[in-house]
Amino acid sequence: GENVEQHPSTLSVQEGDSAVIKCTYSDSASNYFPWYKQELGKRPQLIIDIRSNVGEKKDQRIAVTLNKTAKHFSLHITETQPEDSAVYFCAASKGWSGQNFVFGPGTRLSVLP
Amino acid sequence: GAVVSQHPSWVICKSGTSVKIECRSLDFQATTMFWYRQFPKQSLMLMATSNEGSKATYEQGVEKDKFLINHASLTLSTLTVTSAHPEDSSFYICSAGGQGGQNYGYTFGSGTRLTVV
Repeated sequence: GENVEQHPSTLSVQEGDSAVIKCTYSDSASNYFPWYKQELGKRPQLIIDIRSNVGEKKDQRIAVTLNKTAKHFSLHITETQPEDSAVYFCAASKGWSGQNFVFGPGTRLSVLP
Repeated sequence: GAVVSQHPSWVICKSGTSVKIECRSLDFQATTMFWYRQFPKQSLMLMATSNEGSKATYEQGVEKDKFLINHASLTLSTLTVTSAHPEDSSFYICSAGGQGGQNYGYTFGSGTRLTVV
């Protein structure tokens, strides 16, 4: 089955700096890669996603890149703000309709003011 | 956009009792519902997948007789934790699977924090 690894497990950055979180996946059939932000005690919130037919996607300060050959994808957050502090999970799925996700173990991001 | 409502948000129960958790899709039809469990400081682990009108598919290591899942309609799925024990204390969260090609349903419910005492 699919295995998703995520690094680093914790990340501290100064406000205004960039943060990068990397994930690798094992199943070449996976074709949908969402990123979720989860604040303590709350539900995961989808922040950005990418499909296998795209190499990069950007939404304001957040971007995701995908390297299908190497089977890894990364989340990039620029100009970090304290409210970006949360746990971020990557996931992989064989499709975006009716397919379950396999989640990475998460990255705890702390943005220091 | 897609909204998944989950209740209760938290529950405390005595060991040996059963607890039912409901997830409803409010503005779309959820043909598939995924149930996850999340222990503190850990990732979401899939417990089971339920499809409307059929039996749930459980992940390896998840006891189907302990975690009863019912998906009787396209808008409601329930998870019942039977004979709960303290080790069942966790954050349970649902996510509804989308429909053909549309990105519905990859929205999580608000989660249920279960504490068994």
